[in-house]
Amino acid sequence: AQTVTQSQPEMSVQEAETVTLSCTYDTSENNYYLFWYKQPPSRQMILVIRQEAYKQQNATENRFSVNFQKAAKSFSLKISDSQLGDTAMYFCAFMKHYRYNQGGKLIFGQGTELSVKP
Amino acid sequence: EAQVTQNPRYLITVTGKKLTVTCSQNMNHEYMSWYRQDPGLGLRQIYYSMNVEVTDKGDVPEGYKVSRKEKRNFPLILESPSPNQTSLYFCASSTPAERAYNEQFFGPGTRLTVL
Repeated sequence: AQTVTQSQPEMSVQEAETVTLSCTYDTSENNYYLFWYKQPPSRQMILVIRQEAYKQQNATENRFSVNFQKAAKSFSLKISDSQLGDTAMYFCAFMKHYRYNQGGKLIFGQGTELSVKP
Repeated sequence: EAQVTQNPRYLITVTGKKLTVTCSQNMNHEYMSWYRQDPGLGLRQIYYSMNVEVTDKGDVPEGYKVSRKEKRNFPLILESPSPNQTSLYFCASSTPAERAYNEQFFGPGTRLTVL
């Protein structure tokens, strides 16, 4: 069975600074996907970034980037130039590769509550 | 607008009173699922459905039922709610894996309190 662990329940960062959220996972699968979701106070689940396990290059989306270490089963999220609107709960999630319409189950970590302070 | 809707958004009920949380998507997705979110546990899958009349248990199915009579709808049924089912519930639907992964679309969430 796959598991996802986020060991930082809460973090804070000053506006405009950089913060890194940690995530580790355990799986015997070789083909899978990793995600970071943002959940602001509105509770909406927003996809921030995704990484395909077969890609060695780390994914980047504007101020958000990941450090994907496949051998170490580590998947951290770096937020650069933090903004007040980044204040949210962040979830790391894993999905194994499914064939056409054979599934889509996400396995989530416990979440990290990030506060960006002015 | 492509979206997943849930109703109600908030619900306070009492132990044992049957309730249904509706979920509907307008993207013609085949795969739909329900998750519950609890502090310190993240989101966990309750039930999922791969298509009409095809449903199966997720990781925490006890105390829940689902049905999939139409492709767009996937209601979550609590026949006899208990306080340990107080939680935040999310419905999600996804595209078939014709691309590299099954992109998930989440509903806005339903906050359920069982007294």
